[in-house]
Amino acid sequence: EAGVVQSPRYKIIEKKQPVAFWCNPISGHNTLYWYLQNLGQGPELLIRYENEEAVDDSQLPKDRFSAERLKGVDSTLKIQPAELGDSAVYLCASSLGGSAGGMGTEAFFGQGTRLTVV
Amino acid sequence: GDSVTQMEGPVTLSEEAFLTINCTYTATGYPSLFWYVQYPGEGLQLLLKATKADDKGSNKGFEATYRKETTSFHLEKGSVQVSDSAVYFCALSVGGYQKVTFGTGTKLQVIP
Repeated sequence: EAGVVQSPRYKIIEKKQPVAFWCNPISGHNTLYWYLQNLGQGPELLIRYENEEAVDDSQLPKDRFSAERLKGVDSTLKIQPAELGDSAVYLCASSLGGSAGGMGTEAFFGQGTRLTVV
Repeated sequence: GDSVTQMEGPVTLSEEAFLTINCTYTATGYPSLFWYVQYPGEGLQLLLKATKADDKGSNKGFEATYRKETTSFHLEKGSVQVSDSAVYFCALSVGGYQKVTFGTGTKLQVIP
């Protein structure tokens, strides 16, 4: 079974340009997460979805970041406009949610998209 | 708020040496604890987990015991291999998998 798929793997853009990342979670996983990982740091949650509903977006910088998961399956994270400080790895993860989840439920991560803003 | 503190790296060991990576946590509730591993060029993978006090998680020769009294979840392996070279992240979640809080990661390099 395929794992969490993210694209692109790498992206280089000029500052002030828009960029979008795509994630396809594991089939049947209704919980989807976007994490930001700066160099030498642990991942930090940006947004969490349960199906198509964003249930935790408190850490998402809403002035420039947006995300959607229209049909409760794949998801897109967008930055517009990008700033130099947005250079990082953007990770997508998915897990079983709702009644199928619970204590210690494992999250599965994609390989991430490494964004470089120049 | 919830937080995880783990020892800074990089940690460099010779093959077959004993490994300990320290991890302590603070949590508002009763957390589940995890160790994730990130091999070069790959995504994060769950290495092991424990969901209640005194539980021991184990996988691939690695072990960690949930110590509520010391709020710790130290990762150990008796004999490391070159293939264990990776970045290891300690993490916690409270109330099921709703938000996972990660430590900053510890890079392990094992030399032949």
